[in-house]
Amino acid sequence: SQKIEQNSEALNIQEGKTATLTCNYTNYSPAYLQWYRQDPGRGPVFLLLIRENEKEKRKERLKVTFDTTLKQSLFHITASQPADSATYLCALEGYSSASKIIFGSGTRLSIRP
Amino acid sequence: ETGVTQTPRHLVMGMTNKKSLKCEQHLGHNAMYWYKQSAKKPLELMFVYNFKEQTENNSVPSRFSPECPNSSHLFLHLHTLQPEDSALYLCASSQAPQDRSLYGYTFGSGTRLTVV
Repeated sequence: SQKIEQNSEALNIQEGKTATLTCNYTNYSPAYLQWYRQDPGRGPVFLLLIRENEKEKRKERLKVTFDTTLKQSLFHITASQPADSATYLCALEGYSSASKIIFGSGTRLSIRP
Repeated sequence: ETGVTQTPRHLVMGMTNKKSLKCEQHLGHNAMYWYKQSAKKPLELMFVYNFKEQTENNSVPSRFSPECPNSSHLFLHLHTLQPEDSALYLCASSQAPQDRSLYGYTFGSGTRLTVV
């Protein structure tokens, strides 16, 4: 069955460092891979989408890579700040407009001052 | 606010009650979704509506009944729920598929449901 694994339940890093979150998937050939941020008691907020034919995408301090051979995406936050503390979800979607989007369980990121 | 509004934010209901969750979006999106989020589990897709028509029911028990009267409003009617149905219920909307790559899915803040 289709499965997404996000590297760890929680990640703790020092302010100013680069946070790297991992999303691995099996039994799926996604057209798109998305990253969302979710704060406690709120819904996920869309951050970035990368297509299967793109290797890398950037937005301000965020960088996403997509390796379809390894079936993996890496999500980087450079110069991390305490305000970046949240849960980050990855999600996969297929080509068809009828395809389901499937989400990972998320990684809770804490940035300590 | 994201543009997707859910009410109520919190709901406590007994197992014999009937209640409804409401979702509203004025983003001009064509598709609307209900998701269930339980602690430490991935988001679970429940229902999909595309241009007001239900296009997916992800094997959801009949005690959950969706309604989409128009492309801006979505309801989830609840009756005779079980304690294990306690979760965060999220509504989302999206553009037509060719536009989703720019904007992804827009989620509401959710309704925290507790069944006692």
